[in-house]
Amino acid sequence: QVQLVQSGAEVKKPGASVKVSCKASGGTLSSYVFSWVRQVPGQGLEWMGGATPISGTGNYAQKFQGRVTITADELTYTTYMQLSSLRSEDTAVYYCARGTPLKSGTSFFYAMDVWGQGTTVTVSS
Amino acid sequence: DIHLTQSPSFLSASVGDRVTITCRASQGISSYLAWYQQMPGKAPRLLIYAASTLQSGVPSRFSGSGSGTDFTLTISSLQPEDFATYYCQHLTSYPWTFGQGTKVEIK
Repeated sequence: QVQLVQSGAEVKKPGASVKVSCKASGGTLSSYVFSWVRQVPGQGLEWMGGATPISGTGNYAQKFQGRVTITADELTYTTYMQLSSLRSEDTAVYYCARGTPLKSGTSFFYAMDVWGQGTTVTVSS
Repeated sequence: DIHLTQSPSFLSASVGDRVTITCRASQGISSYLAWYQQMPGKAPRLLIYAASTLQSGVPSRFSGSGSGTDFTLTISSLQPEDFATYYCQHLTSYPWTFGQGTKVEIK
């Protein structure tokens, strides 16, 4: 059973960058889309972007374009999310999640079936 | 971007009630829709994918339906452990956006 284990909580100052890691134990990264989802306190889930080890490039929500970089390293079974130019509004819990092609009937449909435990990032001066 | 609107945003129900949550997409997404449950302080959990396929290990009181732009999540008989927040998500083209969530609370 694959587990995603994320790095620990971070406290950053406005304008700084943060890099959060997510290591897959018990499996590989290939064939999956590794996404990052954030949740601001008291609010809903927000998909930030995702990356596949095969492509090596990320796809990002427009809101975060230019500030976020998501990578997936097949050799270390680890995915990373780096967010730059931090502001107080970026204070949130950040989750990694595995997007898996799941079979339904004769077709395959992506869904995020395995999640990390979450990493709290606090941005404060 | 495809926008998902859930309704209601909040509902109050009793144990044993039948509960239905709807999710409407701003454009057709075929059956590329998933439902998640989130307990307070926990990571989300996948319940349904492909609009109506139950994820392994999820109780059969959960069911999903719909295609195109209109989808529903139904809990046939609400249990104490089902009081949580539920989200729909489309997984067609990027970005894979979520609905705003529906919080199910005890009446």
